Amino acid sequence: GAGVSQTPSNKVTEKGKYVELRCDPISGHTALYWYRQSLGQGPEFLIYFQGTGAADDSGLPNDRFFAVRPEGSVSTLKIQRTERGDSAVYLCASSLTSVHEQYFGPGTRLTVT
Amino acid sequence: GDSVTQMEGPVTLSEEAFLTINCTYTATGYPSLFWYVQYPGEGLQLLLKATKADDKGSNKGFEATYRKETTSFHLEKGSVQVSDSAVYFCALSDGNYGQNFVFGPGTRLSVLP
Repeated sequence: GAGVSQTPSNKVTEKGKYVELRCDPISGHTALYWYRQSLGQGPEFLIYFQGTGAADDSGLPNDRFFAVRPEGSVSTLKIQRTERGDSAVYLCASSLTSVHEQYFGPGTRLTVT
Repeated sequence: GDSVTQMEGPVTLSEEAFLTINCTYTATGYPSLFWYVQYPGEGLQLLLKATKADDKGSNKGFEATYRKETTSFHLEKGSVQVSDSAVYFCALSDGNYGQNFVFGPGTRLSVLP
């Protein structure tokens, strides 16, 4: 079956612009996670959704970052006033429930110039 | 806070050599431990896991044992293949809020024919 998909695969934007990154989880998965992976580092947790609600957003670095999952499936990570330090690969993962294995998407590579 | 430390890469081995990638962790409580693998051009995949002390996770010839006394979860394989070339990430999850992973920085493995 279809895995986790993320769009776009690559995004180049100018400093100060607004971007949206989309994640389509595996159908039926209630838990959804966003991570950020900088070059040469492991993924860093950003936010976790259980259904439509953000159960844990403690990893969001500041208030420029926001994520939604309005219908409990697709999620959008939104970054306002982008900065060069936001450049990274943004990973999405989903799992059947919070205690099941996470399946990762291929990521969106964000470059802020 | 929780953290994971891995041996620095890259690690370069000849085919059929023995592999060890060291991983140690710092955590409050009793985390679950994981190894994830990222093959070139692909997303993160769960390789193996262990949920309590002395558990051994194994998959595809790889093994790792949860050692609480040394806070370690070293990855081993007796005979590596060229197809094992990838980046390997050690991770932990405290499980209190879903499975918010703390990842290590990753170790790149190159296996030469």
